Amino acid sequence: KAGVTQTPRYLIKTRGQQVTLSCSPISGHRSVSWYQQTPGQGLQFLFEYFSETQRNKGNFPGRFSGRQFSNSRSEMNVSTLELGDSALYLCASSPRRASEVPGELFFGEGSRLTVL
Amino acid sequence: DAKTTQPNSMESNEEEPVHLPCNHSTISGTDYIHWYRQLPSQGPEYVIHGLTSNVNNRMASLAIAEDRKSSTLILHRATLRDAAVYYCISNRYGGSQGNLIFGKGTKLSVKP
Repeated sequence: KAGVTQTPRYLIKTRGQQVTLSCSPISGHRSVSWYQQTPGQGLQFLFEYFSETQRNKGNFPGRFSGRQFSNSRSEMNVSTLELGDSALYLCASSPRRASEVPGELFFGEGSRLTVL
Repeated sequence: DAKTTQPNSMESNEEEPVHLPCNHSTISGTDYIHWYRQLPSQGPEYVIHGLTSNVNNRMASLAIAEDRKSSTLILHRATLRDAAVYYCISNRYGGSQGNLIFGKGTKLSVKP
């Protein structure tokens, strides 16, 4: 069974631009969560989508947004990029809501964003 | 969700057992203990989780102290592929949250 697929794997943007990252969850998984990983802050939760609705949100500014489609695929968008947004963005899928059952979170390999 | 404390780094020899400790002294009765690991250039990977009893799976064993204030992840025979950052996470389920709160983790090095 295919794992979580994230695209693109690497990208470079400049300050002020916007970026869209895509995540395809494992087939049958309805929950998609996004995490940001930086050397200084480690792994931080961004938001979770389940059945096309945002269910939970981390402590990030409104420049970070996301959505989920009817096929459970998810996208996240970061507008007006800042240097500090350079990070590895990880997507994780789960068959149920991440808050329901432990041990069922599957991560992708991430999209590495560099902001110049 | 309880805060967890782990050593920054540990070293092990290949084919020897590894015991990775985690302290979660503020854990509540409904908080699960999870372990994830992150290999270089990859996303985190689920290892094991438990609530009160010790747990075993094909990857590792989880030993939970009787008072639940600490736990130990046991890799029975370390391989070079086990070199990774290991995260111990304490998380509550059944409410509106459920997102994992990762700490800094323990970087495990495995020597041949």
